[in-house]
Amino acid sequence: DADVTQTPRNRITKTGKRIMLECSQTKGHDRMYWYRQDPGLGLRLIYYSFDVKDINKGEISDGYSVSRQAQAKFSLSLESAIPNQTALYFCATSGAFSENTQYFGPGTRLTVL
Amino acid sequence: KNEVEQSPQNLTAQEGEFITINCSYSVGISALHWLQQHPGGGIVSLFMLSSGKKKHGRLIATINIQEKHSSLHITASHPRDSAVYICAVTASGSRLTFGEGTQLTVNP
Repeated sequence: DADVTQTPRNRITKTGKRIMLECSQTKGHDRMYWYRQDPGLGLRLIYYSFDVKDINKGEISDGYSVSRQAQAKFSLSLESAIPNQTALYFCATSGAFSENTQYFGPGTRLTVL
Repeated sequence: KNEVEQSPQNLTAQEGEFITINCSYSVGISALHWLQQHPGGGIVSLFMLSSGKKKHGRLIATINIQEKHSSLHITASHPRDSAVYICAVTASGSRLTFGEGTQLTVNP
């Protein structure tokens, strides 16, 4: 089984709808991240969490919120989806040191109509 | 200007060719990462390095801290190497800053 899983893998929704993307990991890592990827812009950090009680905004957090329900689970919510949030979303995890490798989930392709 | 710049953006090679992808960064870093994104979208980490050189199979990554530059080399390239290669740096905590990626296509 994959170490980092994301659900759903694909989602099409309409403007104004609330959407939740979920991430689970079995690597026992404390640190978890949400990124979005847009063509020509590369990956950008939305939110990150260094442990269950720690949530931090990334470079593009507006319009998003997160919840760290447990060490293994980190959810990303779009409270009111808009078309420019159409993107590929990745969850990642890493160990406690800043030099640790990040392990990525398979991605969620979100389309907002 | 992005903190992490990759070149080239697109690269097409013939099978067997030696390939080099470059990454330059403008901030102090604790580590540099090379990632591979498969056509299906999945991302895997190839290397993490803070100095010198690392080798794994046909892949070699080097870094020059003084020049703020890293290269990823692929020897004896193969069509299965076709992917997007992404350079990223750790500058603050565990947060990664990414380059835009290099799309590599290796033709048989």
